[in-house]
Amino acid sequence: EVQLVESGGGLIQPGGSVRLSCVASRFTVGNDYMSWVRQAPGKGLEWVSIIYVDGTIHYADSVRGRFTISRDNSKNTLYLQMNSLRAEDTAMYYCATTPGAHYFRYWGQGALVSVSS
Amino acid sequence: DIQMTQSPSTLAASVGDGVTITCRASQSISNYVAWYQQKPGKAPKLLIYRASTLESGVPSRFSGSGSGTEFTLTISSLQPDDIATYYCQQYTIFWTFGQGTKVEIK
Repeated sequence: EVQLVESGGGLIQPGGSVRLSCVASRFTVGNDYMSWVRQAPGKGLEWVSIIYVDGTIHYADSVRGRFTISRDNSKNTLYLQMNSLRAEDTAMYYCATTPGAHYFRYWGQGALVSVSS
Repeated sequence: DIQMTQSPSTLAASVGDGVTITCRASQSISNYVAWYQQKPGKAPKLLIYRASTLESGVPSRFSGSGSGTEFTLTISSLQPDDIATYYCQQYTIFWTFGQGTKVEIK
């Protein structure tokens, strides 16, 4: 079965940066659409970013210009570089496969990012 | 942006009851809707996509229906393992989720 494992979260000061990683097993990151979805504490789900098989990228308005999605096919890893972090970016960040750029099929366990001074 | 509005926000039912959750889209989205189940402290799990297609391995007591702007998720006979929060999601224009429906046992 597909396995996705996120890492890289932690406590970050406002204005700081962090990079999340999502390593895939029994799945090839470069062969499918991949997304990041976040969930603030006690809140609902919010799509953050997606990277297509052909490299097309989209971002939610709330993170555009501050976050960057990328992948390294040689490491079978998806990344989310998060800059200029704000308190409202505090959330659990999940990577997920997104077949056909439609729904989110397989999810990682999440990486918690807390933005606070 | 397409808004997805779920109702109710919370529902309580007895084991064996039928349960229905509704999701309304702010504009027509054909059948591009998925449903997820999320248990506390866990990642969401895909239940249904394309409004009514059951994901592999999901119990048949779950079903989905609808098209256009109104969609429903039905649990035919509520089980203790179904206690969770359920989310709808549209994928017509970008990707947005409903606010969630928490299902509890009465």
